[in-house]
Amino acid sequence: DIQMTQSPSSLSASVGDRVTITCRSSQSIGTYLNWYQQNPGKAPKLLLYAASSLQSGVPSRFSGSGSGTDFTLTINSLQPEDFVTYYCQQTYSTSLTFGGGAKVEI
Amino acid sequence: QVQLQESGPGLVKPSQTLSLTCTVSGGSISSGSYYWSWIRQPAGKGLEWIGRVYTTGRTNYNPSLKSRVTISLDTSKNQFSLNLSSVTAADTAVYYCARAEYTYGELGIWGQGTMVTVSS
Repeated sequence: DIQMTQSPSSLSASVGDRVTITCRSSQSIGTYLNWYQQNPGKAPKLLLYAASSLQSGVPSRFSGSGSGTDFTLTINSLQPEDFVTYYCQQTYSTSLTFGGGAKVEI
Repeated sequence: QVQLQESGPGLVKPSQTLSLTCTVSGGSISSGSYYWSWIRQPAGKGLEWIGRVYTTGRTNYNPSLKSRVTISLDTSKNQFSLNLSSVTAADTAVYYCARAEYTYGELGIWGQGTMVTVSS
């Protein structure tokens, strides 16, 4: 299995801040990397796919970059609704795996 | 607009088989190039991918669950299903069904999730 490691697992920030979450894979996955946002008690929501492509309807303050084994999710100008949990996911192999999650707290 | 809805028992006894169904509305399960997927999340923990079935019926499973999992399509009902055998308390979780795009496998549409508890 390809292991996905997110860091930090939690972080504190303020409204208007810029935050970066990192996701590292245990082997090269090209750009087969997706990012999800999950509100408590809700299903995850796709934010970005193919490492840097913004899903339709997702605000442009969300961006992604990276390829190979190292990826980042950046949120510019944090809004109150952004203080939730984020997951990365690799879809390079036929056994998909998620990162452990990163919780953004006020 | 395609929507997914999970259904099935909320309580399953240990050693029995967990069976869930995902009903797809707003589109045909047999058209297009999609993976129909199952994911679960124990309370307070992260997401675990269970497996997926392609439009053709081809499947991929999480190796750690492969011996106990079956995912299948029912095109006549526009549904797909999950069977997980020999369950234990460790299988207690919220179970989500989702649709993934073929090219990059991203899970773009999710059901709301259904809680399944394994307990006697």
